[in-house]
Parts: sequence; structure tokens; C-alpha cells
Amino acid sequence: NAGVMQNPRHLVRRRGQEARLRCSPMKGHSHVYWYRQLPEEGLKFMVYLQKENIIDESGMPKERFSAEFPKEGPSILRIQQVVRGDSAAYFCASSPSTGFGEQYFGPGTRLTVT
Amino acid sequence: GQQVMQIPQYQHVQEGEDFTTYCNSSTTLSNIQWYKQRPGGHPVFLIQLVKSGEVKKQKRLTFQFGEAKKNSSLHITATQTTDVGTYFCAGKDRGSTLGRLYFGRGTQLTVWP
Repeated sequence: NAGVMQNPRHLVRRRGQEARLRCSPMKGHSHVYWYRQLPEEGLKFMVYLQKENIIDESGMPKERFSAEFPKEGPSILRIQQVVRGDSAAYFCASSPSTGFGEQYFGPGTRLTVT
Repeated sequence: GQQVMQIPQYQHVQEGEDFTTYCNSSTTLSNIQWYKQRPGGHPVFLIQLVKSGEVKKQKRLTFQFGEAKKNSSLHITATQTTDVGTYFCAGKDRGSTLGRLYFGRGTQLTVWP
């Protein structure tokens, strides 16, 4: 039973370019969460999605960031016009239901903006 | 808004010593979860506590959920080098209908032999 998959694992972008991070949840999971982690810091919640719906995007920066979880295919976190401050590890987690139950994390995408 | 605070931020212990990390929420929680993240790795679920005053054990790890459901602790007895990593608590606000978890900043544990 495959776990949460994220790709790419490492991504290097120059300032001003776009970054697309993909997350495939565990089989049977319909809830996806995105987090950002800076070195030596905790997990900062960004957005919570279900299939075709954004449930909570209160942690998402208002500009340049967007997320989707289409009916078919992986969830995508998109960062437009990246800046150096976007360099971080981005983790995706999935769960089978909301409210209770653990979240299963993917291996993360390490984004470096040069 | 909801805040989850965790102390200490760093803890260095010698192998065999005990370790405790504490988690406090600004609001009442419906549940509390604990995760462990090894250096360079991703968070891995350890346990969930739901009931007021609940205590759960996993081998050398003891987890507690406070009576008021606003605080929690993780205690490791006789640490080993394999315990190295960052331990996060995460809680769901009892007043929220959403599935969002609020993570503490984590306690980074270093164990030296």
C-alpha cells in the first residue's frame, strides 16, 4: 500500500519562475493538507483540500500561492514568481476523514530559490 | 486565534537519561496528536489522545492529555540514540468544524552516547 507521494523531491528555481509541487495522497484518502517548514522550525499550515474543494486556505499567502485537488490526479501547490523567501520544505499530508485520525505525511519537496 | 506552544525548543540528553516535552494550547482541544520527525525526514504519526486525563504508553514513551484538554506531554524513559529527532504535538480545536491541526513548534531532541 503506497504511502503519500510527493514530487519532485528537490526543486531548484530561479527568482521569478514558477514552482509546481505535486502530492498524491494515500489510496482511499480524500483529504489533503499542505505545510511549509523552514529549517529548525515547525510545520506551518497552508491549506486543506478535499476533492475539487478548498476547505481552509487561511494559512496560504494571499498572493502568488494557489492549490488545487482535482477530481482526477494529484493535488498541486503552485507558487508563482518565486522569491528567495519561498525556499523551504513543503510537506503534503493526507487523511481518510476529517476531525479525528492521524495525518500521513509525504517525504516532502525541498524547494530552493536561487 | 488558536495557538499551540511547545517547550523546550531544544533538549540535549545523554543516552539513558529521561526526556519530557510539553505542549500547551490557548483553547480547548478535541484531540491531541504527537508526531516524530527524524533529521532530514518527514513527520511520522506516533499517537492520538482524545479523552480528558488520558494516558497512553508505547514502550518507553508515555503520553498524557490534561484534564482540561489544553495541555499534553510526552515523556521518554531511558533515551536511546534512536530517539533523536523533533517531536511535534498537534491539536484540533474543539470549536472548529474543520479538520485542521495546529502544530507546536516542536522539541528537537539530541541524544549523545
